[in-house]
Amino acid sequence: TQLLEQSPQFLSIQEGENLTVYCNSSSVFSSLQWYRQEPGEGPVLLVTVVTGGEVKKLKRLTFQFGDARKDSSLHITAAQPGDTGLYLCAGAQGGSEKLVFGKGMKLTVNP
Amino acid sequence: NAGVTQTPKFQVLKTGQSMTLQCAQDMNHEYMSWYRQDPGMGLRLIHYSVGAGITDQGEVPNGYNVSRSTTEDFPLRLLSAAPSQTSVYFCASSRTGTLSTDTQYFGPGTRLTVL
Repeated sequence: TQLLEQSPQFLSIQEGENLTVYCNSSSVFSSLQWYRQEPGEGPVLLVTVVTGGEVKKLKRLTFQFGDARKDSSLHITAAQPGDTGLYLCAGAQGGSEKLVFGKGMKLTVNP
Repeated sequence: NAGVTQTPKFQVLKTGQSMTLQCAQDMNHEYMSWYRQDPGMGLRLIHYSVGAGITDQGEVPNGYNVSRSTTEDFPLRLLSAAPSQTSVYFCASSRTGTLSTDTQYFGPGTRLTVL
C-alpha cells in the first residue's frame, strides 16, 4: 500500500513554464519532506514542512503543507533545465523513525 | 567531511551468492538507514539503526541483514542473492532518528544486479 501518492508521475515542459507537483495521502503526517534526485545520485533534501497550512519558499520553489497535514504541493515558477530531476515527497508520522516515500515525479525541462 | 560513502558503486551477482554493501558516515550521526529504489516505486526502507548496537526492520527487510557495531558503519548483507533484489541501494544518515526535523543525508548509491 502506497501511503503517499504523487502526481503527475512524469512531466516534460519548456523552459520558463510553471508547474505544480502534488503529494496526497489519506493519512496524517507530522511532517512532509521534499527531495530532488539527479540521475546516478542520492536524493537531496529541499525542504521540510511541519505545520498545517505552512508555506515555504526556496528561490523559485514554493512548498505548501495542507491544513489537515495529509497533503503537500511543490510549485516551480519559470522552470529551468537545471530543475530537471526526480522529485520525491516523504512523510513522517508522529515521532516515527521511519520515512514513507512517494513514487516520485520525473521532471524534464527542455531549453 | 566526506559525508555518506557507499561501496561498491556497481555490483553483479549470481543467484545464491552473498555479499555486503558497505556504508560509512563521518558526521557522527546516530541514525543510519538503508533503502532500495526500484523503477516506479520510490524509496522503500529496508533496515535502520538509531545507534550503535541497535537495529530495526523497515518496510522490506526480508533477505537482508544488518549490524551496527560502530557509529560510523552500517553494512547491509545479502545472504543469498535473488533476482528480485536487483535494485539501487541507498544508505542515509541523520543526526538523530527524529526524521520530522532532522535532515537525512544520502549516499551516492550502489547499483546491484542479480542474474
